[in-house]
Amino acid sequence: DAKTTQPPSMDCAEGRAANLPCNHSTISGNEYVYWYRQIHSQGPQYIIHGLKNNETNEMASLIITEDRKSSTLILPHATLRDTAVYYCIVKGGAQKLVFGQGTRLTINP
Amino acid sequence: GAVVSQHPSRVICKSGTSVKIECRSLDFQATTMFWYRQFPKQSLMLMATSNEGSKATYEQGVEKDKFLINHASLTLSTLTVTSAHPEDSSFYICSAATGAVDTEAFFGQGTRLTVV
Repeated sequence: DAKTTQPPSMDCAEGRAANLPCNHSTISGNEYVYWYRQIHSQGPQYIIHGLKNNETNEMASLIITEDRKSSTLILPHATLRDTAVYYCIVKGGAQKLVFGQGTRLTINP
Repeated sequence: GAVVSQHPSRVICKSGTSVKIECRSLDFQATTMFWYRQFPKQSLMLMATSNEGSKATYEQGVEKDKFLINHASLTLSTLTVTSAHPEDSSFYICSAATGAVDTEAFFGQGTRLTVV
């Protein structure tokens, strides 16, 4: 079963920052937070992951709260191509990736 | 990121026939591969996990005799849907991982299977 809770949908204006929240209150000490996204009819695309420190890469930033019970994925300047379903997944070690329902993010012009 | 190639991207087959889907990791060695199925407007559902050289581990409710998985090398896993029926029509997606603790899994582009 998925260990995360995400809002089912969000809207964001093009050019603005999109902030996608995720709750993972039962996360264990050795579990990482992973974010993937899936554009319609494609395989999921890896975005970013982290353990407890904030992370940033060319796609996004990941902010993890100090107690690690929640996190936020930030797309700094959303474009229309960022419209997708975003999945927040908690995984430790060799565990499999279990997908929840994700957040359907729509970027509006 | 690493590249995982899945083939074919689309396939139509007749009811009762078998279909093989290939998943290749092109630039890394995948000790573990995962197979998912996704129905319209639903999330990905994990079907099975395969480790190179050993039998696949199937999730509850997935028929291992119907969905045959082979992971004979560190770069190739195959999923064979045997005696396909219309209800097997779905989007099948593979992912591959090195097995290291702090590394991400990469996904293929998916295979749209339609059984007629």
